[in-house]
Amino acid sequence: SAVISQKPSRDICQRGTSLTIQCQVDSQVTMMFWYRQQPGQSLTLIATANQGSEATYESGFVIDKFPISRPNLTFSTLTVSNMSPEDSSIYLCSVGDPTGELFFGEGSRLTVL
Amino acid sequence: AQKITQTQPGMFVQEKEAVTLDCTYDTSDQSYGLFWYKQPSSGEMIFLIYQGSYDEQNATEGRYSLNFQKARKSANLVISASQLGDSAMYFCAMRHFNKFYFGSGTKLNVKP
Repeated sequence: SAVISQKPSRDICQRGTSLTIQCQVDSQVTMMFWYRQQPGQSLTLIATANQGSEATYESGFVIDKFPISRPNLTFSTLTVSNMSPEDSSIYLCSVGDPTGELFFGEGSRLTVL
Repeated sequence: AQKITQTQPGMFVQEKEAVTLDCTYDTSDQSYGLFWYKQPSSGEMIFLIYQGSYDEQNATEGRYSLNFQKARKSANLVISASQLGDSAMYFCAMRHFNKFYFGSGTKLNVKP
């Protein structure tokens, strides 16, 4: 299975600011995804990060609020823009492997004051 | 639309006993995958077990087994010989094409 590293692991941010979360994988992967987990809730898919092209966003998520980059097959970033307290969540980077399994990074726990 | 239902928000089990966490799913497709993940309080998501829709045998991984009843569209997780370290949130998930859909989770507490 791939080893996935996320940075930062946690952060406390002020309302109105933006934060970029980095996801590094130790091998080349085709499928890379970003999930959000609000407090006490399940995981919701934000978008699929596509290498070399724009990310594919799920209903309810837009590029202006959650811009995503995927410059190569091992790295992606998710930015949470113009944050509000409602954005306080765990953000999880995940990758799909050829067998169809989904593996997750350690998550980035974000608190917005 | 794909849907995963976990009807047990919280469960208690005595250490060393077995526990079953329920999961039902809804899909009209024949090809899909079912997964269980464990999420400790640290927040990481740990893959536990996988069952393919065409697999005839129930999946097993150590103390974890998946009770797959395709006609009933259920994929319950059975944890045998519970340990204190099993206390965590457990999520059932379904893979449909390249997307994963997650249930609302079950919080398991193992009592000494």
